[in-house]
Amino acid sequence: DAGITQSPRHKVTETGTPVTLRCHQTENHRYMYWYRQDPGHGLRLIHYSYGVKDTDKGEVSDGYSVSRSKTEDFLLTLESATSSQTSVYFCATSEGQGFNQPQHFGDGTRLSIL
Amino acid sequence: GENVEQHPSTLSVQEGDSAVIKCTYSDSASNYFPWYKQELGKRPQLIIDIRSNVGEKKDQRIAVTLNKTAKHFSLHITETQPEDSAVYFCAASSGNTPLVFGKGTRLSVIA
Repeated sequence: DAGITQSPRHKVTETGTPVTLRCHQTENHRYMYWYRQDPGHGLRLIHYSYGVKDTDKGEVSDGYSVSRSKTEDFLLTLESATSSQTSVYFCATSEGQGFNQPQHFGDGTRLSIL
Repeated sequence: GENVEQHPSTLSVQEGDSAVIKCTYSDSASNYFPWYKQELGKRPQLIIDIRSNVGEKKDQRIAVTLNKTAKHFSLHITETQPEDSAVYFCAASSGNTPLVFGKGTRLSVIA
């Protein structure tokens, strides 16, 4: 959807290790988002970007950082992974001049922290 | 900030019956209300959306209604089919802040 590729699709790692998830889009959309999805919590926004080098925190940003050095790439980093960060992570993009536009989602990354 | 409540959390209907999912929002400035469908193990996909200048929108068996005064919007699925079984999410945004999602409704269509 909207040419969004997330990598890796699955990852298992140990507590305390750094982890970086990548979102790549080919649609030149201005806005990019990172969500986590956990049972009973729906989709919760971690961080978002409204342009190159322009990012902001979402609802559940503690323990996560992001970077966007190019329009097409949005990286999510867990500096020191904890078991509470085990989740499915979705990247999304949207175009236009505001947040009231359709979001298109990637296929997700299933991350397990042991 | 915006808060979106979604009900019910689970819904079971017989094939061919209608299903209704309701969401309420708190920010009167919200003006964009999309609905997403997520099948098991898949990504959320937009199925329909409505803006605050419209009261109702239809797309085949799916319709969304919006009541700005009461600050609620609903998804209506008619003539349900087994392939409608999924988790449905509503969301709301004013345009100045990112979408806020409801917690989802798991719809089961029983054949």
